[in-house]
Amino acid sequence: QQPVQSPQAVILREGEDAVINCSSSKALYSVHWYRQKHGEAPVFLMILLKGGEQKGHEKISASFNEKKQQSSLYLTASQLSYSGTYFCGTGAGGTSYGKLTFGQGTILTVHP
Amino acid sequence: KAGVTQTPRYLIKTRGQQVTLSCSPISGHRSVSWYQQTPGQGLQFLFEYFSETQRNKGNFPGRFSGRQFSNSRSEMNVSTLELGDSALYLCASSPGQINEKLFFGSGTQLSVL
Repeated sequence: QQPVQSPQAVILREGEDAVINCSSSKALYSVHWYRQKHGEAPVFLMILLKGGEQKGHEKISASFNEKKQQSSLYLTASQLSYSGTYFCGTGAGGTSYGKLTFGQGTILTVHP
Repeated sequence: KAGVTQTPRYLIKTRGQQVTLSCSPISGHRSVSWYQQTPGQGLQFLFEYFSETQRNKGNFPGRFSGRQFSNSRSEMNVSTLELGDSALYLCASSPGQINEKLFFGSGTQLSVL
């Protein structure tokens, strides 16, 4: 089942903060976050693993609440370059490897 | 290091035809995953190959198939195209262990008329 992202869209001014949430009805083993700009490939931002390990971008932070089956991506002091569509992808653990189930995406627009 | 390369970038086909898309992963990566991206359904997993073997499969009909060669390059084939197959097809490569980041290509935009 597809994870649910909220909000669906958010508009910011440069320097403002945003939080994007990802909720799953299934137990989460890992949550991946990617950003895709129009016409471009999705780009990796972060992986959060069950147990608390994180791998990712220095300037981006995220949380992973295993009990609530939720993850949140925190974008602080936003820049114009942060604009794009953000996707969370959940891994089922075990042998899921490159198989992720992605949310529908959150469109982030940052204005000057 | 060169990124993930997908060819062709754009493709126009008619219903009933078949199509083959190609993906060259980052050098040294042994896993290639394929995703279909549409405005309505978002990113949906098709299948994943590792060392020439299909390791995972999504919920797509048998018209969608793939393979991987010994140099890790992968191809995806769609037979008997339907209008609903119009989508951006993305491939992603990784070294192939669990919980690794995926490196996506820019995709092949397939239009079925």
